[in-house]
Amino acid sequence: DTAVSQTPKYLVTQMGNDKSIKCEQNLGHDTMYWYKQDSKKFLKIMFSYNNKELIINETVPNRFSPKSPDKAHLNLHINSLELGDSAVYFCASSQDLDGADTQYFGPGTRLTVL
Amino acid sequence: DQQVKQNSPSLSVQEGRISILNCDYTNSMFDYFLWYKKYPAEGPTFLISISSIKDKNEDGRFTVFLNKSAKHLSLHIVPSQPGDSAVYFCAASGFFQGAQKLVFGQGTRLTINP
Repeated sequence: DTAVSQTPKYLVTQMGNDKSIKCEQNLGHDTMYWYKQDSKKFLKIMFSYNNKELIINETVPNRFSPKSPDKAHLNLHINSLELGDSAVYFCASSQDLDGADTQYFGPGTRLTVL
Repeated sequence: DQQVKQNSPSLSVQEGRISILNCDYTNSMFDYFLWYKKYPAEGPTFLISISSIKDKNEDGRFTVFLNKSAKHLSLHIVPSQPGDSAVYFCAASGFFQGAQKLVFGQGTRLTINP
């Protein structure tokens, strides 16, 4: 009964491939996010969706395409993977868009591009 | 142009003593501040927060102090316990470019020594 789950936990792939990371939350939240934790350990927002509508797109290359089939799911598809895409990707959710709303994070997906 | 900074990458404290983690921010538009705790191979989990209209918030062993004039916040843990060993992320929330965004620091690894 994990609140925010991500699959896969680890992903190793070659440059140029296309891959997807899935995220699901069972908290009944309206808002979901994708964050990237780079080699310098900063957690940076990539996207946020509220009720399946894109709210934040933080100047992420258009090789990254989020898809929200419903409020409980926010998947991340990455085309033409590059070495610099290697990072840990975290999905999160919150009740709504209020800054005081606690964000609940998934366990992360460690992506390694060779 | 990292807006939230944690200048100490690591901190080591004796069990039972006080742990003080520090965080500085640059943007006065942030209106809510949070601390997250992260264990290895897990996502960050919410610990404690404070609104910009307050200067202190306490929850059990955890207290967050906010000094708006100095753009500085700190997390005090007393007494420190071995289970507190983790990476602590400071985060600041604000409304920018039409959306509420959470900006994280790079984390401080806290080690509690028995």
